[in-house]
Amino acid sequence: NAGVTQTPKFQVLKTGQSMTLQCAQDMNHNSMYWYRQDPGMGLRLIYYSASEGTTDKGEVPNGYNVSRLNKREFSLRLESAAPSQTSVYFCASEQEGGMPHGGTFGSGTRLTVV
Amino acid sequence: QQPVQSPQAVILREGEDAVINCSSSKALYSVHWYRQKHGEAPVFLMILLKGGEQKGHDKISASFNEKKQQSSLYLTASQLSYSGTYFCGTETDSSYKLIFGSGTRLLVRP
Repeated sequence: NAGVTQTPKFQVLKTGQSMTLQCAQDMNHNSMYWYRQDPGMGLRLIYYSASEGTTDKGEVPNGYNVSRLNKREFSLRLESAAPSQTSVYFCASEQEGGMPHGGTFGSGTRLTVV
Repeated sequence: QQPVQSPQAVILREGEDAVINCSSSKALYSVHWYRQKHGEAPVFLMILLKGGEQKGHDKISASFNEKKQQSSLYLTASQLSYSGTYFCGTETDSSYKLIFGSGTRLLVRP
């Protein structure tokens, strides 16, 4: 099925460990996003990529790095995980400007840092 | 800058109507509306572009007032399936970064 695929779905890290969250979309979208959602809270933008090879900081970029490997894939890396990074991470993609079908979200990665 | 949503929460009886508002201090290019059910990913409802258009499908519609940089989501004759958290997301004229508001929790009771 067409959509956005995120891996892994669940992850537990120890403080200081590193990991990469993977995201791939097969809808030929230009724009891709990484958001985090803390319990009971809204979606906060971590990083954004308007096209292959370009990335831009969002609202909460500290502690994260991203890589837009190609048009399909956009990865998020935590270099040294901290308990404050415990959250649900969503990847999303859309055509630039959102038309006509808006954004499509992956199913999320539930990350716990202990 | 994050758009501001109101109200924070709404409780309805089945069949009642609700309005959720979203406003921004910046000139907007587009407003998106999404619904998220507990434990799931947000799902796209509709998008409105600057120009003041109103869109809708079924009993959910939305408007965009470009002069005020405000959008409203209208849910009429609410159904139990409408329960969830509604988010507006905005893109400005200067950036296509999609930034979300803090959400409105909607609960529809029988």
